[in-house]
Amino acid sequence: KNEVEQSPQNLTAQEGEFITINCSYSVGISALHWLQQHPGGGIVSLFMLSSGKKKHGRLIATINIQEKHSSLHITASHPRDSAVYICAVKSGGSNYKLTFGKGTLLTVNP
Amino acid sequence: DGGITQSPKYLFRKEGQNVTLSCEQNLNHDAMYWYRQDPGQGLRLIYYSQIVNDFQKGDIAEGYSVSREKKESFPLTVTSAQKNPTAFYLCASNSWGQRTEAFFGQGTRLTVV
Repeated sequence: KNEVEQSPQNLTAQEGEFITINCSYSVGISALHWLQQHPGGGIVSLFMLSSGKKKHGRLIATINIQEKHSSLHITASHPRDSAVYICAVKSGGSNYKLTFGKGTLLTVNP
Repeated sequence: DGGITQSPKYLFRKEGQNVTLSCEQNLNHDAMYWYRQDPGQGLRLIYYSQIVNDFQKGDIAEGYSVSREKKESFPLTVTSAQKNPTAFYLCASNSWGQRTEAFFGQGTRLTVV
């Protein structure tokens, strides 16, 4: 069983819809990342969080440490949000090894 | 602007040849990482380096080698011993410490024919 599970694997939405992508993990962590990967492959870090909630523009990320669960929300989705969204966790320890989920492919249609 | 540069973006090689992927960062980050991405799978760690002249194997190091002679550079060599080298390779870096974000390169898509 993968230590990081994302759902859904694929998500299709209409422009303007509210999007939620979920991430569950099975290990104790010190931080969780949400990453965005566009066609062509480059990855951008959207958020790094260890508790609570963070907001950047139309993107909101929340984490519940007790439930080992995080969500990424996109408000007023737009076709340019179409990408793969990846959850990654850093477990405790002295080095910085990330364990990645398999990603959620989001397609936003106009 | 600071960032990570991977080159080339696309690389084709014949089976049996070694190939070296470049990763350079000007972020003054201590740690650098190489990941491999295959369709339908999450990113998997190949090698990482936390300091110059030192590196450790990740989860799938077999068939790969790295060096860290300079802080800014962490090249990855895909050797002929790697049984299935065709993949997308990503380099990342971050500063030492638990609460620092990782930065990723644009990736190199390697195709072995």
